[in-house]
Amino acid sequence: AQSVAQPEDQVNVAEGNPLTVKCTYSVSGNPYLFWYVQYPNRGLQFLLKYITGDNLVKGSYGFEAEFNKSQTSFHLKKPSALVSDSALYFCAVRDAGYNQGGKLIFGQGTELSVKP
Amino acid sequence: GAVVSQHPSRVICKSGTSVKIECRSLDFQATTMFWYRQFPKKSLMLMATSNEGSKATYEQGVEKDKFLINHASLTLSTLTVTSAHPEDSSFYICSARVAGNQETQYFGPGTRLLVL
Repeated sequence: AQSVAQPEDQVNVAEGNPLTVKCTYSVSGNPYLFWYVQYPNRGLQFLLKYITGDNLVKGSYGFEAEFNKSQTSFHLKKPSALVSDSALYFCAVRDAGYNQGGKLIFGQGTELSVKP
Repeated sequence: GAVVSQHPSRVICKSGTSVKIECRSLDFQATTMFWYRQFPKKSLMLMATSNEGSKATYEQGVEKDKFLINHASLTLSTLTVTSAHPEDSSFYICSARVAGNQETQYFGPGTRLLVL
């Protein structure tokens, strides 16, 4: 069965420092991986996705993620964090079974806090 | 592009009444929409997959007679919480997938339901 794990409930970073939010996955077949961000009392905003191609994926707001097949990881990164990046981040994998309708399986979420 | 709206954004109702939540894709057609429930600072729990013109597919443990889903057009899906109880209070989020695109889901802003 497909699954996604975000090992850190919370990540604290100082503004201007690089940030990493970790995600590991378990899938059968080729993974379709996603990162979403959620601000308080809001829905999820799409950041980026990996389907095929370059292992380094660039997304919105200066975020990027690196697909690492050998480590089954898809960590989210940003070179220089902003206070406004503080939010809840979700990693997700698309269920590969076609009869599953392409539903997403979400990680537990990681709360990112960027302090000035 | 790829904007999803939800209405209402928040609703308070009395126990025993029914509440309808609308999910609309504003600038694209969505053959498939998803309904999620989210508890505070927790991950999203998929409730059901809504397919235009056919019956919704419910996840295990979700009562289909309590959470009625209708996907009458390519831009509108509705979730009706019937005979609501305080334990139904939650944040409900919908997402929509672009017709012909099995990959990315776009999320609505969410609906906060409080049942008194």
